[in-house]
Amino acid sequence: GAGVSQTPSNKVTEKGKYVELRCDPISGHTALYWYRQSLGQGPEFLIYFQGTGAADDSGLPNDRFFAVRPEGSVSTLKIQRTERGDSAVYLCASSQSGANVLTFGAGSRLTVL
Amino acid sequence: GDSVTQMEGPVTLSEEAFLTINCTYTATGYPSLFWYVQYPGEGLQLLLKATKADDKGSNKGFEATYRKETTSFHLEKGSVQVSDSAVYFCASTNQAGTALIFGKGTTLSVSS
Repeated sequence: GAGVSQTPSNKVTEKGKYVELRCDPISGHTALYWYRQSLGQGPEFLIYFQGTGAADDSGLPNDRFFAVRPEGSVSTLKIQRTERGDSAVYLCASSQSGANVLTFGAGSRLTVL
Repeated sequence: GDSVTQMEGPVTLSEEAFLTINCTYTATGYPSLFWYVQYPGEGLQLLLKATKADDKGSNKGFEATYRKETTSFHLEKGSVQVSDSAVYFCASTNQAGTALIFGKGTTLSVSS
C-alpha cells in the first residue's frame, strides 16, 4: 500500500481483556517495527521483525505482549490481560531494510479502563 | 542501555526567530542519527538524517550536524514559521543497529 496502515485507530477495553492491534506495512518493506508512545514521551521500541522472524524483541515489557508476522507482511501485536498502564498509542513502522528510514503509521490508541 | 536526550520544551518562539533544539546520544560506535517531526494530528515523519560523523542533514530549512566528538546532533533553523509548530524527536540507531531509540520530544510553538 501507499503507507503503513494500522487498525483499529482507537480501542477502548477493560482491564484484564485481550487486545489485538494490526499493522499493514508498505508493500515490499521487509523490516517491521512496533513502538509504544505514552503521553508526553517519545516512541519506545518494542519489537523488530525482519521478514517473518522477530529479530529483536528486547523491548517487549513482559510476557503479556506478543507479536507475529506469519507471512512477512501484516503483523499483529497481541496484549493479554491488559492493565491500565498499557494505555498508550501503539505505533507500527516499516522500512526497506533494517533501522534506517522508518515510515510510521498513524498509530492505534489503546485505552484500558 | 542506549539513550537519546533532548532539551525539554515547550520552546516558544516568534516567527522568523532562530531555533536550536539540543540532542545528545549514548550509543557507541557510529550510529545513524535522525530528527523526526510530528505535526498536530499527524503521524511521525522523517525530517532529516545523518549517517556518519561530520555529515549534515538538511530539509525544509532545518539542519543538523553529526558531531562525534560531542555525541550531539542539534537541530537548527535560521527563521522559523508558524507552520513549523510541532513536536520534534531526535533518534539514533541502537548499538546493535536493529532499532531506533527516540528522545522524549520537544514541543515547538511558533507565533506570528
